[in-house]
Amino acid sequence: QVQLVQSGAEVKKPGASVKVSCKASGYTFTKYSITWVRQAPGQGLEWMGWISAENGNTNYAQKLQGRVTMTTDTSTRTAYMELRSLRSDDTAVYYCARWEAFWSGYYAFDYWGQGTLVTVSS
Amino acid sequence: DIQLTQSPSFLSASVGDRVTITCRATQGISSYLAWYQQKPGKAPKLLIYAASTLQSGVPSRFSGSKSGTDFTLTVSSLQPEDFATYFCQQFNSYPLTFGGGTKVEIK
Repeated sequence: QVQLVQSGAEVKKPGASVKVSCKASGYTFTKYSITWVRQAPGQGLEWMGWISAENGNTNYAQKLQGRVTMTTDTSTRTAYMELRSLRSDDTAVYYCARWEAFWSGYYAFDYWGQGTLVTVSS
Repeated sequence: DIQLTQSPSFLSASVGDRVTITCRATQGISSYLAWYQQKPGKAPKLLIYAASTLQSGVPSRFSGSKSGTDFTLTVSSLQPEDFATYFCQQFNSYPLTFGGGTKVEIK
């Protein structure tokens, strides 16, 4: 069965960086893209970007451009999301998800990791 | 950016009720819309994609429809496990965006 398992909670100071991992199993890793979504406490969902596990191509949300980097390691079937210059409003649960492209030409995030809480506090 | 406005933001209902949630897009998005269910402390779960296609394993009491830029998620007979928050998401153009969510609580 498809599983995405994320790394544990992090506490960081403002200005620091965080790197969250997402280990995939149960499917051919390089056939899907991985996307990242975050959710501030009590708030809605915010899309951060995606990375192709096949070729490493990326597309980031403009508001995070310059602060976020998404990478993959195909040998360990793991995706990573690094966010730099952390601010208090980056405090959120960060999710990875598998980006499914259905035969019909439509898309969805069909499997999600369990989430990683990143707390930014001095 | 395409904005998605969900209504209502909060809904109180009883088991067995028919529940309808609306998601309105600020511009045409074809059928590039998905619906997710999220329970407290858990990751979102895909319910519907392409506006009206039920994801495998999702109960048939869930359905989706489209009319212009208005999208609807309907639960035909609310079950105890359906009390959760529901989000819509568009895949028409970047940045991908989500609706603000609709919390369905027990009356």
